[in-house]
Amino acid sequence: KAGVTQTPRYLIKTRGQQVTLSCSPISGHRSVSWYQQTPGQGLQFLFEYFSETQRNKGNFPGRFSGRQFSNSRSEMNVSTLELGDSALYLCASSRWGQGDEKLFFGSGTQLSVL
Amino acid sequence: QKEVEQDPGPLSVPEGAIVSLNCTYSNSAFQYFMWYRQYSRKGPELLMYTYSSGNKEDGRFTAQVDKSSKYISLFIRDSQPSDSATYLCAMKGTGNQFYFGTGTSLTVIP
Repeated sequence: KAGVTQTPRYLIKTRGQQVTLSCSPISGHRSVSWYQQTPGQGLQFLFEYFSETQRNKGNFPGRFSGRQFSNSRSEMNVSTLELGDSALYLCASSRWGQGDEKLFFGSGTQLSVL
Repeated sequence: QKEVEQDPGPLSVPEGAIVSLNCTYSNSAFQYFMWYRQYSRKGPELLMYTYSSGNKEDGRFTAQVDKSSKYISLFIRDSQPSDSATYLCAMKGTGNQFYFGTGTSLTVIP
């Protein structure tokens, strides 16, 4: 069974640009969450989607947005990039709400903002 | 106060040692407890999953949950250099959000 797939693996952008990251969850998983990971802050929760609806949102500015498609694939978008947005962005899928609380992560997208 | 506290280390042990990693938490509603292993520049990999209190063993790994003390542990027996990674604890209640520790960096020296 394929795991969580994130693309692209690496991204280099400049300040002010925008970026879109993609995530394909494990087959059968309808919940997709996004996290930002930095050395100083650890894993920070961005938002979670279930059946195309955002169920929960972390404490990030409106520049960070996401969506989920009918096939459970998800995208997150960051507009007007800032240097502090440089981080590893992780997508995770689960069967939460379907009787299974385990969370499975992708390999992440390493974003560098110059 | 953070929901989950984890000593960041770093922790350095000789090969073959027993490693003990710990997390404390403040929310008594947490019921699901997980340990993840994360290698450099990779996503976290689910290592152990426990529901409620008690012990769970999987090979060289043992996870313990003490809900009365709000304390969870991961023990690694006969540690190997390949165990060198960052270990993250995570937990969840009945809501739809997971809470993570900041991770403990472990190095096993051959």
